[in-house]
Amino acid sequence: AQTVTQSQPEMSVQEAETVTLSCTYDTSESDYYLFWYKQPPSRQMILVIRQEAYKQQNATENRFSVNFQKAAKSFSLKISDSQLGDAAMYFCAYRLSNTGKLIFGQGTTLQVKP
Amino acid sequence: GAVVSQHPSRVICKSGTSVKIECRSLDFQATTMFWYRQFPKQSLMLMATSNEGSKATYEQGVEKDKFLINHASLTLSTLTVTSAHPEDSSFYICSASPPLAKNIQYFGAGTRLSVL
Repeated sequence: AQTVTQSQPEMSVQEAETVTLSCTYDTSESDYYLFWYKQPPSRQMILVIRQEAYKQQNATENRFSVNFQKAAKSFSLKISDSQLGDAAMYFCAYRLSNTGKLIFGQGTTLQVKP
Repeated sequence: GAVVSQHPSRVICKSGTSVKIECRSLDFQATTMFWYRQFPKQSLMLMATSNEGSKATYEQGVEKDKFLINHASLTLSTLTVTSAHPEDSSFYICSASPPLAKNIQYFGAGTRLSVL
């Protein structure tokens, strides 16, 4: 069964600095999708970035980028030039190919210090 | 962009009553919607997959008679918490994927249920 693990319950970063959130997963599938979602205090889930497993190039969305290491089953999120609005809980998620279900990691709460 | 609407955002009810939560896809048709439950400071746990025109698929450990799901149209799925008890108090979130972006789930804003 697929599992997603986020080993950092909490992280903090100084405003304008860079922070990396870790995520590892386990799967026997060869083609799949991985996501990072952000959940601010409003609790609205917001898609930050996605990665298709068959693409070797790491996905990038403005200040957000991933380091996708397929062999190591690692999918970390890097936030550059951190802003106060980045403070939220971040979830790594794996999409099951056959059902479309998402399996979420435990989440990492990111604090951004001014 | 794709939008999923969820209503109500918050509901307080007495123990023993039933509560219905609606999830609508506003600008696309969704044959499948997902319902999650989230406890404070915890992750999202998938409860069930709502399938338009057929029975929902429940995850292991989720009582289907307790959490009734109806997906009567391509834009609406409902979750009814029947005979609610304080332990059912939680944050419930739905999601759906547009046909042209099936690999992406968009989430509703969630419903905070408090059972007194």
